[in-house]
Amino acid sequence: DVKVTQSSRYLVKRTGEKVFLECVQDMDHENMFWYRQDPGLGLRLIYFSYDVKMKEKGDIPEGYSVSREKKERFSLILESASTNQTSMYLCASSIPGQALYGYTFGSGTRLTVV
Amino acid sequence: GNSVTQMEGPVTLSEEAFLTINCTYTATGYPSLFWYVQYPGEGLQLLLKATKADDKGSNKGFEATYRKETTSFHLEKGSVQVSDSAVYFCALINQGAQKLVFGQGTRLTINP
Repeated sequence: DVKVTQSSRYLVKRTGEKVFLECVQDMDHENMFWYRQDPGLGLRLIYFSYDVKMKEKGDIPEGYSVSREKKERFSLILESASTNQTSMYLCASSIPGQALYGYTFGSGTRLTVV
Repeated sequence: GNSVTQMEGPVTLSEEAFLTINCTYTATGYPSLFWYVQYPGEGLQLLLKATKADDKGSNKGFEATYRKETTSFHLEKGSVQVSDSAVYFCALINQGAQKLVFGQGTRLTINP
């Protein structure tokens, strides 16, 4: 089974801190994604990466950046955390051109910014 | 652009009731359609999918039929269980695209 592992299930950070959310997948998928999930808003795409060092902005990239130095790892960075970034963050991966198989998701990181 | 609209939640049912969660979509081309489920405290899991018109996806007693004429992909189950309590997401992806488009999710609670 493909596994997508997010390093933390729960995280509490202070306003202004730099925050790193890590995601690792073990099936050599080219595509990786970061979403945030908020009640009533569903999943919103923050960033997408289709290869090492390649990235593309999603629908809500403001306040976030990403890093993909190795194929298996995709990091989401909150440069200066704010309370409106309190949310559930979900990482996913997929194979290009294999749309039939959908995405494989991690278990999520619930981030609280105080 | 592409979009997915799901029925408003939350939905609360009694055990063994019939379930329908409505999903309609707007897309250019011929998308593949998906239902994902998120159990409490977990990430999303693929529940079922359909890749062309009139296809029926099914899994764990859930079914959904790809209806091109009504641009719909409604999720149904004949007899729900408490363990079906979760958030359900409808999604689509266009041919050749890399990014899923999700609906807003529907929270389902089943009472014993």
